[in-house]
Amino acid sequence: EAQVTQNPRYLITVTGKKLTVTCSQNMNHEYMSWYRQDPGLGLRQIYYSMNVEVTDKGDVPEGYKVSRKEKRNFPLILESPSPNQTSLYFCASSRQGYNSPLHFGNGTRLTVT
Amino acid sequence: AQKVTQAQTEISVVEKEDVTLDCVYETRDTTYYLFWYKQPPSGELVFLIRRNSFDEQNEISGRYSWNFQKSTSSFNFTITASQVVDSAVYFCALSGLISNFGNEKLTFGTGTRLTIIP
Repeated sequence: EAQVTQNPRYLITVTGKKLTVTCSQNMNHEYMSWYRQDPGLGLRQIYYSMNVEVTDKGDVPEGYKVSRKEKRNFPLILESPSPNQTSLYFCASSRQGYNSPLHFGNGTRLTVT
Repeated sequence: AQKVTQAQTEISVVEKEDVTLDCVYETRDTTYYLFWYKQPPSGELVFLIRRNSFDEQNEISGRYSWNFQKSTSSFNFTITASQVVDSAVYFCALSGLISNFGNEKLTFGTGTRLTIIP
């Protein structure tokens, strides 16, 4: 089944404790991206990757890191999480960049206390 | 910069009523794409439709229809004979080609929460 898999679904952590949210897609998609969803703000892009080893900042990259060592994986790293990073996070992939429909993971609800 | 406005934050209608979700966009690109995504209460985001800027034909898919009007920069979504399963948050989104104005990205509206009352 074609899918984007994010883990974990729920995560509660404390300020400053490094964490990684994994994302993997099995559709051989070139493009992958991370979004955060906050009430009243819709979906905002954190980072994106047009291909392996090619990543770039989205609209809200501060406090996040990503890597794209393999085509299928695009982990999101929070080196020192803070409470303002409490949010619902989505990983997405598409065949060809912004103009192709996005396939989303099921989301990760992160709480930083 | 491009922008997507979904002015309706929340809408509630009684089941079987028709409902239209508004989406107004701004872009300087002449070539762009518009999307609608659905987020049901379970939380996942599901692609509904993509329309490119050169295709102004309205689209119908079952009870769903989309009205794209470049003259008013709108891409509205209508659900006919609404059902409880249509309850969700709906997002409109806009993407453009990389242009002289900088790298355009996929920009989402803030979403409209639709509640269908049984």
